[in-house]
Amino acid sequence: GQSLEQPSEVTAVEGAIVQINCTYQTSGFYGLSWYQQHDGGAPTFLSYNGLDGLEETGRFSSFLSRSDSYGYLLLQELQMKDSASYFCAVRPTGGFKTIFGAGTRLFVKA
Amino acid sequence: DAGVTQSPTHLIKTRGQQVTLRCSPKSGHDTVSWYQQALGQGPQFIFQYYEEEERQRGNFPDRFSGHQFPNYSSELNVNALLLGDSALYLCASSLASGASNQPQHFGDGTRLSIL
Repeated sequence: GQSLEQPSEVTAVEGAIVQINCTYQTSGFYGLSWYQQHDGGAPTFLSYNGLDGLEETGRFSSFLSRSDSYGYLLLQELQMKDSASYFCAVRPTGGFKTIFGAGTRLFVKA
Repeated sequence: DAGVTQSPTHLIKTRGQQVTLRCSPKSGHDTVSWYQQALGQGPQFIFQYYEEEERQRGNFPDRFSGHQFPNYSSELNVNALLLGDSALYLCASSLASGASNQPQHFGDGTRLSIL
């Protein structure tokens, strides 16, 4: 089957750096995406890794290693507004559906 | 530039009833996907519509059906509602011709509660 595993919760302090890991079991996929969802809100796209390596977008970076079946989202200079759920997601090759992980709830403390 | 809009925002139904949820995609998008999100879980893919056809379906029973209209808007229909259908239903739009790294744009969802 195809599945993505993420920690259920992470807590960090304002201004700190936090890494949210995603390990997956899927035979082939186009790339690893990350979405953010605030309580009561819509998921919003953060980052995409089609190739192995690091992608940086402002305070957010994302990494993918296909050989290790692993990726992560790195959030720097944490702000209170970063408190939200974060989902990794993949689209298996040959199809159109997107599979999401169960999400990691990030709590940022003052 | 209007984003993805969904209606209604909230809905309460009883077991056995039928429901129709609606979605208008982001301007310029031609593909609509529907997801079910239970509390504390990630979105689960229901199906995707393109050119008014369902082109892939997730692991959901036939009680879940949909439609896409010529203006790319879409409906999700659920028949014979069960308590377990209580969830947030999300619509996402994208471009079929887009690259694989093209993000999906989500609406705020319809919160469906079954009593």
